[in-house]
Amino acid sequence: SQTIHQWPATLVQPVGSPLSLECTVEGTSNPNLYWYRQAAGRGLQLLFYSVGIGQISSEVPQNLSASRPQDRQFILSSKKLLLSDSGFYLCAWSGGFSGANVLTFGAGSRLTVL
Amino acid sequence: AQSVSQHNHHVILSEAASLELGCNYSYGGTVNLFWYVQYPGQHLQLLLKYFSGDPLVKGIKGFEAEFIKSKFSFNLRKPSVQWSDTAEYFCAAEYGNKLVFGAGTILRVKS
Repeated sequence: SQTIHQWPATLVQPVGSPLSLECTVEGTSNPNLYWYRQAAGRGLQLLFYSVGIGQISSEVPQNLSASRPQDRQFILSSKKLLLSDSGFYLCAWSGGFSGANVLTFGAGSRLTVL
Repeated sequence: AQSVSQHNHHVILSEAASLELGCNYSYGGTVNLFWYVQYPGQHLQLLLKYFSGDPLVKGIKGFEAEFIKSKFSFNLRKPSVQWSDTAEYFCAAEYGNKLVFGAGTILRVKS
């Protein structure tokens, strides 16, 4: 069966520090991978998506970047965090046995920037 | 721009009341439509989806949604809600490889 792992679950970082959130998917190959940010009252904002290794599409201009160094690994990064980067970040995948269009979400990573 | 709008942010109902949550999406040609649900303390999960065919789709737990192309709408319904339906509900539309979500509707069902 397919599983998605996301870590760390919670993170408290000072302003100006770097960030790395990791997401890995097991039990499938060549998934589409996504990073969303969830904010209360604003739903889920798509940040990045990837349809293959090294292929990243950015949806909104921001202080964040994403990379896909391996087929089932998706990393969200920042060189210098801002206060406004605080939020709940969700990784998701689609494709494979669950169908091309249905997203399966990870448990999320809560980032607090102080 | 590709967008999804949900009409209500908070809905409070008593058990056995009927539910309808509104959702409209911006035109984008062929669009796949979804409702996702997030129960307290749990992951987001798929409630139902529409790709093509019968515009009335049935999902889990007695939910259904109707796709009305002329209105760009995909409203979620349930004839009789239960306390366990308390959750946040997200409508989403797929444009190419991107799934765009609405702002979500928090449903609270009073027992």
